[in-house]
Amino acid sequence: KAGVTQTPRYLIKTRGQQVTLSCSPISGHRSVSWYQQTPGQGLQFLFEYFSETQRNKGNFPGRFSGRQFSNSRSEMNVSTLELGDSALYLCASSLWAGEGHEQYFGPGTRLTVT
Amino acid sequence: KNEVEQSPQNLTAQEGEFITINCSYSVGISALHWLQQHPGGGIVSLFMLSSGKKKHGRLIATINIQEKHSSLHITASHPRDSAVYICAVRRNTGNQFYFGTGTSLTVIP
Repeated sequence: KAGVTQTPRYLIKTRGQQVTLSCSPISGHRSVSWYQQTPGQGLQFLFEYFSETQRNKGNFPGRFSGRQFSNSRSEMNVSTLELGDSALYLCASSLWAGEGHEQYFGPGTRLTVT
Repeated sequence: KNEVEQSPQNLTAQEGEFITINCSYSVGISALHWLQQHPGGGIVSLFMLSSGKKKHGRLIATINIQEKHSSLHITASHPRDSAVYICAVRRNTGNQFYFGTGTSLTVIP
């Protein structure tokens, strides 16, 4: 089975722009979670989606949003980019939402905001 | 205050040594995860625990729910074990994930 794929892998944007990142889960997985990793804050949870519904959301401003499609692929969007949004954005998929199901991580999208 | 605390932050060991990484948390949890991150960013989930002990090869993870503490042990460490090890918990109310700041392990041949 192919693993979790994320596109693009690297991205450079300017302050004030918006960006959309994509995540394709492992075939058959219906849950996708998104995480942000920065040197200062470490890993932080952004959102969790299951069956096109957002189940959980971390403590991020409304500029961060996401969605999941019927084929379980997910996108996250960041509007009005700030320098502090520079980070590695990781998504992870699992068969179902909630505990008891192992998460498989993608390689991440490294976003640089200048 | 962080909900998840890890120690040590950095660890250097000689090949073959027994290694322990500790994780303490302050919230009620439904499960605890140990993750491994190699240079370049890729993350692998090593263990998911809600009680007791699990073993995969040379890796052992334990959790004490009453004491809100978990340990990750690596027996007969090898240079390929060099990575950052991250402890994460899923809260049992609200299902939020919280992460430790990671332990950077270097195993010297």
